[in-house]
Amino acid sequence: DIQMTQSPSSLSASVGDRVIIACRASQSIGNYLHWYQQMPGKAPKLLIYAASSLQSGVPSRFSGSGSGTDFTLTISSLQPEDFATYYCQQSYNTVPLTFGGGTRVEIK
Amino acid sequence: QLQLQESGPGLVKPSETLSLTCSVSDGSINSSSYYWGWIRQPPGKGLEWIGSISYSGTAYYNPSLKSRVTISVDTSKNQFSLMLTSVTAADTAVFYCARQTEALSGSFNFDYWGQGTLVTVSS
Repeated sequence: DIQMTQSPSSLSASVGDRVIIACRASQSIGNYLHWYQQMPGKAPKLLIYAASSLQSGVPSRFSGSGSGTDFTLTISSLQPEDFATYYCQQSYNTVPLTFGGGTRVEIK
Repeated sequence: QLQLQESGPGLVKPSETLSLTCSVSDGSINSSSYYWGWIRQPPGKGLEWIGSISYSGTAYYNPSLKSRVTISVDTSKNQFSLMLTSVTAADTAVFYCARQTEALSGSFNFDYWGQGTLVTVSS
């Protein structure tokens, strides 16, 4: 299985801050990397697919980059509604599809 | 807008079989463009992919659960289902159904999700 490791596991930030979340794969996965946002008690929501493509309807303050083993999700200016947990997911190996452990973004 | 809704018992006894159904509305499950998946999340923990199925019934499963999992599809009802046998307390989780799409070649992700249903395994 391809292991996905996110860092940090949690962070505290203020509204307006630039936030960067990292995701590392245990082997090269090309750009087969996707990011999700999960609000408490809600289902995950797709933000970014194929490492850097913004899902329809997602604000442009979210961006993704990276390829191979190292990826980042950037929130350019954190908004109150962005406080949530973020997950990466790889699809280079489709069996199994695997997710990172999550990064919780909290209010400072 | 496509909607998915999970249904099934919220409480299952240890050693029994967990059964859930996902009903798809405002869209057809009968499309070669998508797979339909199940993902679970134990309380306070991360996401685990369980398996996915095509409209034609081709299924693939997480090897860690494969011996206990069956996913089936009923295109006439626009539904797909999950069965997980021999459950233990470790299977307690919120179970989500989701549409698996391939936006770019090989780029499989989940773009529509159900709201999730909590299944507790307890006697």
